[in-house]
Amino acid sequence: QSALTQPASVSGSPGQSITISCTGTSSDVGGYNYISWYQHHPGKAPKLLIYDVSNRPSGDSNRFSGSKSGNTASLTISGLQAEDEADYYCSSYTSSTTPVVFGGGTRLTVL
Amino acid sequence: EVQLVESGGGLVQPGGSLRLSCAASGFTFSSYVMHWVRQPPGKGLEFVSAVNTHGSSTYYANSVKDRFTISRDNSKNTLYLQMGSLRPEDMAVYYCARGIPYNWNPDSWGQGILVTVSS
Repeated sequence: QSALTQPASVSGSPGQSITISCTGTSSDVGGYNYISWYQHHPGKAPKLLIYDVSNRPSGDSNRFSGSKSGNTASLTISGLQAEDEADYYCSSYTSSTTPVVFGGGTRLTVL
Repeated sequence: EVQLVESGGGLVQPGGSLRLSCAASGFTFSSYVMHWVRQPPGKGLEFVSAVNTHGSSTYYANSVKDRFTISRDNSKNTLYLQMGSLRPEDMAVYYCARGIPYNWNPDSWGQGILVTVSS
């Protein structure tokens, strides 16, 4: 039940693009296209940004995009805005004893 | 609109018990898997437990196995988490989350409820 590996923090200036990685194993990220990404502002409910590696919920911003290569999934945020400052988490379906595993989270700072 | 509303949190002494509830509305509750996910102070999201649509299959993080029990009542659109033998490290905000049926990943979350374990 090891957590997926994410960088602890990333930062960028308004208008720039940033990418957050999420590394797992062949039992989770590498083995399935069932990776989701969430945005979490403190004190609020986490919000689904991406599901099934690269799909966005209908009506959501296209500034958020997802991809996967091997055992690593990535979330890219383009055109950074101040309101993007939040914690970001990945999750993946896993063939281990629990159906889902989360990443450790990445704090995004908009400079 | 999907709504998940947690209740039952609060202060409990180490070794004590607490039952969390999650009232669901705005979707067909019986068609979705459900999760409890927690966030300890200053830490990230952590899977706690999940249950399939019928309540017949349950899953637990190693850290809570044999102490917590997840259940659901599809007739009442409610998810439960019975927590026992609580430890200080169980202190966290607990979130109820709906899972995407075919891949289990959460797609909607409640606002969360705080469980404090302290003497």
